[in-house]
Amino acid sequence: AQKITQTQPGMFVQEKEAVTLDCTYDTSDPSYGLFWYKQPSSGEMIFLIYQGSYDQQNATEGRYSLNFQKARKSANLVISASQLGDSAMYFCAMSPLYNKLIFGAGTRLAVHP
Amino acid sequence: DAGVTQSPTHLIKTRGQQVTLRCSPKSGHDTVSWYQQALGQGPQFIFQYYEEEERQRGNFPDRFSGHQFPNYSSELNVNALLLGDSALYLCASSLGGPKETQYFGPGTRLLVL
Repeated sequence: AQKITQTQPGMFVQEKEAVTLDCTYDTSDPSYGLFWYKQPSSGEMIFLIYQGSYDQQNATEGRYSLNFQKARKSANLVISASQLGDSAMYFCAMSPLYNKLIFGAGTRLAVHP
Repeated sequence: DAGVTQSPTHLIKTRGQQVTLRCSPKSGHDTVSWYQQALGQGPQFIFQYYEEEERQRGNFPDRFSGHQFPNYSSELNVNALLLGDSALYLCASSLGGPKETQYFGPGTRLLVL
């Protein structure tokens, strides 16, 4: 079965520090995409970063990087230099075929000043 | 460049009624996907439309139906509403290829009384 697991319901981080949000996935498909989205309290899902299953390098987008360990089936999100505006729900998602996204349960991140 | 738009933003219905939600994709996108997000959960895939056809469907009953128009905009229809249909309904648009990034709209919050 294709599944995304996010084991951290909530995380706290001090402003300007780095934080890692965990994500593991399960799929038998050889080709897939991994995504992270941010959902503020307003509800809109904001795309952060993408990693393809055949990509050799870990993806980076500004302060976001994806720590992709294929053998362990993990795709952790690292946020560097946290800002107060980073407080939100974060969802890991997988796309095995034709853009159908399978989401995890999410991690609520709180950034403290 | 307009992003994904959805209407209405909020909706209140009673059990047994029918509802239609609307979505306009991001400029240049030809694929629209719909997701249901219950409170405190990750989004669940309902279905995806490409070239005016339903390309994929999630585990949702036939009460959930959709349509895509020639301009790529889309509607989600839900018949015989149940209390459990109360959720945030998210529309996402993308290009039609595999593992393309999906960009989400602000969502429609549906409350069924």
